[in-house]
Amino acid sequence: EIVLTQSPGTLSLSPGERATLSCRASHSVNSAYFAWYQQKPGQAPRLLIYGASNRATGIPDRFSGSGSGTDFTLTISRLEPEDFAVYYCQQYGRDFGQGTKVEIK
Amino acid sequence: EVQLVQSGAEVKKPGESLRISCKGSGYSFTNYWITWVRQMPGKGLEWMGRIDPSDSSTNYSPSFQGHVTISADKSISTAYLQWSSLKASDTAIYYCARHGGYSAYDSVDYWGQGTLVTVSS
Repeated sequence: EIVLTQSPGTLSLSPGERATLSCRASHSVNSAYFAWYQQKPGQAPRLLIYGASNRATGIPDRFSGSGSGTDFTLTISRLEPEDFAVYYCQQYGRDFGQGTKVEIK
Repeated sequence: EVQLVQSGAEVKKPGESLRISCKGSGYSFTNYWITWVRQMPGKGLEWMGRIDPSDSSTNYSPSFQGHVTISADKSISTAYLQWSSLKASDTAIYYCARHGGYSAYDSVDYWGQGTLVTVSS
């Protein structure tokens, strides 16, 4: 079983700043099956990135994904007010990381 | 338009049984796996298991194997998650979601609205 560890647990930033979120896998993951999701309070999660670096339909280009093997990164180039949320990584369409909360500083 | 519509909130007592549903529309239901995800109050997402509606083959997380049953009725484009004996610790929001490609390994691209299950004596 592959375990995904996200860091940091909480990221405190101001609107306009850059956010860098990390997800590390306990074993190598096929990049084609690595994804990132965003969840806001009271809402279902939303797919942001699939295949490690492909934006899902309707996702703004300030969101980008990168990485391979065991280390993956989600970057939000300039935080907008609506980006403050919890972000999860996922591998092989199954297990999730524990989440990173991006909060307003 | 692809939609997954889940059944409504449930309040149950410990030991009772329950089945919640997830109806897909706007796409070919048998072409895409359906996954179930648990979110306990204030906690993260936990993958429970998934089903291929075309033949009802399933994969379960070891954490949930034997505690829940995932099934599907392709004739009515509906997937189910069921418990035979609920516990208070089953209190959570349960989401169904559709895998975005034909592989069970693909990410999930559409989510249901969630079903809140409350188990309390």
